[in-house]
Amino acid sequence: AQRVTQPEKLLSVFKGAPVELKCNYSYSGSPELFWYVQYSRQRLQLLLRHISRESIKGFTADLNKGETSFHLKKPFAQEEDSAMYYCALSGLGAQKLVFGQGTRLTINP
Amino acid sequence: DTGVSQNPRHKITKRGQNVTFRCDPISEHNRLYWYRQTLGQGPEFLTYFQNEAQLEKSRLLSDRFSAERPKGSFSTLEIQRTEQGDSAMYLCASSPRDRHYEQYFGPGTRLTVT
Repeated sequence: AQRVTQPEKLLSVFKGAPVELKCNYSYSGSPELFWYVQYSRQRLQLLLRHISRESIKGFTADLNKGETSFHLKKPFAQEEDSAMYYCALSGLGAQKLVFGQGTRLTINP
Repeated sequence: DTGVSQNPRHKITKRGQNVTFRCDPISEHNRLYWYRQTLGQGPEFLTYFQNEAQLEKSRLLSDRFSAERPKGSFSTLEIQRTEQGDSAMYLCASSPRDRHYEQYFGPGTRLTVT
């Protein structure tokens, strides 16, 4: 079965502090993992993809196949990072996305 | 705005009525997806099209739900005999042919069944 688990519904950190949003997945094959973000009053949008190994807006995420995790990290949080973050997976060559429940990140000034 | 558009943005209907939603994808995108999102949950996949062909349907999509994309452009999602459990945000997304993973989402249609 395909499943994505984000254990924290809410996460609050202070500006300048490190941020880690947790994501664990269950998938029998080789999945593709993504982080999508939804800022206040905006649409859901792709933040980053594990294959690209890019840093987007200072965020990085490493796929750990042994721990079946894809945690999102940023060393120094900024107030504009406050948003809803969703971890998602797609089977290799598949089209649909399976989303986690989401984590609402709040950056306090 | 050349993004994905959805109409209507809000729909309130009485239980038992039929409703139809429309999605207009980004023009050069050949794939179109429907998701449903309930409060406190992430989006759940319903169905997707490649051009006009409906290639996958979720088990969530009961017989009361039907989706079409007749000319490979816009898509409609119809719910017949609505139930209170159908109340949700219905999201549409599209993706380009060479980057299917990069799904562009619309603003959603919020359905309330009373």
